[in-house]
Amino acid sequence: EVQLVESGGGLVQPGGSLRLSCAASGFTFSSYEMNWVRQAPGKGLEWVSYISSSGSTIYYADSVKGRFTISRDNAKNSLYLQMNSLRAEDTAVYYCARELIAAAGHAMGGFDYWGQGTLVTVSS
Amino acid sequence: DIQMTQSPSSVSASVGDRVTITCRASQGISSWLAWYQQKPGKAPKLLIYAASSLQSGVPSRFSGSGSGTDFTLTISSLQPEDFATYYCQQANSFPVGFGQGTKVEIK
Repeated sequence: EVQLVESGGGLVQPGGSLRLSCAASGFTFSSYEMNWVRQAPGKGLEWVSYISSSGSTIYYADSVKGRFTISRDNAKNSLYLQMNSLRAEDTAVYYCARELIAAAGHAMGGFDYWGQGTLVTVSS
Repeated sequence: DIQMTQSPSSVSASVGDRVTITCRASQGISSWLAWYQQKPGKAPKLLIYAASSLQSGVPSRFSGSGSGTDFTLTISSLQPEDFATYYCQQANSFPVGFGQGTKVEIK
C-alpha cells in the first residue's frame, strides 16, 4: 500500500525556519517525481515545489523561491522541504504528493497519491 | 505563468443531477490537465488525468473532456458522496497551477 506521511509542522515565529519531512512507503520511491503542495486555511490548493526522481531537477513557485529548499534522500525513502524566512502567508497545510507516471515511466500529469498533510502556522 | 480559471465557483445540485464544471487555461496546455476532488479535512483525490483519462478506482460517472484551453469535468449522476470541492490543475509547464476550486453543494 502506497503511503506518504508528512511530519515537522508546527507553530513558528515570522522569520523562523522549519523542516518538513515526507516518509514514503509501499512503492519504489527513487522512481518517482515528487511535489509539495500547500493549502492555506479555507483557501485553494497552491503548488510549492517539484523534484525529479534523481533530485537533479527542481522547480519552485515564485512565492517561495529563495526561501524554501526541496530535497530528497532516496536511500531513506524521504522527501524534505526546508522552509526559511517564514512569513504569515506561509501558514497552510503542506502536502507531499507523488507524480503519476505511466508504465513506461513518464509523467502523466497529475498527483496520484497525497499525504495527510502537516500544518505550518507562522505567527508571533 | 499559466492561469487556471474554474467556473462556477459553487453549484447547488441534487442527488441524481448532472453536474458540469469548466476550467479554462490562459494559454494552450494540450491535454495536460488533471481534476481532483477534495472533502473537508482530507487530502485531494485524483479523479482525471490527461484531460480525459479516469484514474484507477474512480467511478465511471466522472468524466473529463477538452484540450487546448477549455476543459470540462462532468458528474453524470451526482451521488451523496460527491458533495465536495473540485480543482483543476495544469501539468503542461512549471509553475504548476490549480484552479480556484468549485464547491458542489446540496440543493
